Amino acid sequence: EVQLVETGGGLIQPGGSLRLSCAASGFTVSSNYMSWVRQAPGKGLEWVSVIYSGGSTYYADSVKGRFTISRDNSKNTLYLQMNSLRAEDTAVYYCARVNLNWGQGTLVTVSS
Amino acid sequence: NFMLTQPHSVSESPGKTVTISCTRSSGSIASNYVQWYQQRPGSAPTTVIYEDNQRPSGVPDRFSGSIDSSSNSASLTISGLKTEDEADYYCQSYDSSAPVVFGGGTKLTVL
Repeated sequence: EVQLVETGGGLIQPGGSLRLSCAASGFTVSSNYMSWVRQAPGKGLEWVSVIYSGGSTYYADSVKGRFTISRDNSKNTLYLQMNSLRAEDTAVYYCARVNLNWGQGTLVTVSS
Repeated sequence: NFMLTQPHSVSESPGKTVTISCTRSSGSIASNYVQWYQQRPGSAPTTVIYEDNQRPSGVPDRFSGSIDSSSNSASLTISGLKTEDEADYYCQSYDSSAPVVFGGGTKLTVL
């Protein structure tokens, strides 16, 4: 059974850093396109970042230069390193196996 | 980059059929696969249609997807509506310059 479990969310002050993890089971992260998608309270889905099976990475303009997507093949885990966090980054962050499977999400709240 | 435009909301009665549209602003809708996601209140999204018209295992055949090049749009059709289908639905596609593009979402009310 395919499963994605995100961890690492929480309350963080503006300017702070946080690293989200997404542990995958039932498939191999490195063989798939993997993405982070966020949803601000009461809003729609917003794409954040993607990493392709070949290792190429892409970012939404809103997070470029602040967020970094990566993966650990030995742990079959996807990561999102988030630096210089802003209030507008407050959202539930989902990891997704592109087009197919989604995690349950982890809430990131950026507030002083 | 292109945009995907969905109606803000649709409503229909149980047992009926509803269609949700997703119109691509530029570039051909047929050039890149379209996915549809269902998000029930308080829950994570789930995939109901991928690659234009494919259903993941476990998704009932009441859900179907199609594309129409003449209107440059994709559609999600749900037949035999049930109250459990009440949710937000998002379309998603991509192109060479935009790896992931979401529509704004459509709130389906089954009344």
